[in-house]
Amino acid sequence: DGGITQSPKYLFRKEGQNVTLSCEQNLNHDAMYWYRQDPGQGLRLIYYSQIVNDFQKGDIAEGYSVSREKKESFPLTVTSAQKNPTAFYLCASSIGRTATYEQYFGPGTRLTVT
Amino acid sequence: GQQVMQIPQYQHVQEGEDFTTYCNSSTTLSNIQWYKQRPGGHPVFLIQLVKSGEVKKQKRLTFQFGEAKKNSSLHITATQTTDVGTYFCAGVRSGNKLVFGAGTILRVKS
Repeated sequence: DGGITQSPKYLFRKEGQNVTLSCEQNLNHDAMYWYRQDPGQGLRLIYYSQIVNDFQKGDIAEGYSVSREKKESFPLTVTSAQKNPTAFYLCASSIGRTATYEQYFGPGTRLTVT
Repeated sequence: GQQVMQIPQYQHVQEGEDFTTYCNSSTTLSNIQWYKQRPGGHPVFLIQLVKSGEVKKQKRLTFQFGEAKKNSSLHITATQTTDVGTYFCAGVRSGNKLVFGAGTILRVKS
């Protein structure tokens, strides 16, 4: 059963703690993306990776970090430097390395930081 | 930077009425994609438009890409309760990034 998995679905953390969100895909897609979604706003790109061991900053990368050590995995760390981390985080992948390919989204992780 | 504006922000229609959402970019787009997100769900790809003036149909959904490739629209004929959700447009810009509109929330009264 192919697809993108994100875990956990809900995550609660105290302010000042780093937290890592998981994203795994078994679609053999080259590119992977992390987006943040806030109420009333579209999806904003945090980081993306077109190939293993390489990644690029998106529009709102400050306070976040990523790694791409395996093709299947693209974890996102929300650091304590992120000023407003509470949000819905979506991971996506695409078969091609450019944004002209459709993106497949995971179910998302809703992070709440108090 | 390049922005993609989407209107309306919210629309509440009676079942059977038509619905349209519009997307406008400040600069020319190479492609535009449309996604649907059901309440509590994640975005799902609907379609991609590439050519100037392109029109594509999927059953009751009609997608258009403007002649100048700066605007797009999604029209749903005779809405059904299964159409509820948020519809996003996303334009492909330089640097291989998708930039998403804020989305239009559609609610359908039965």
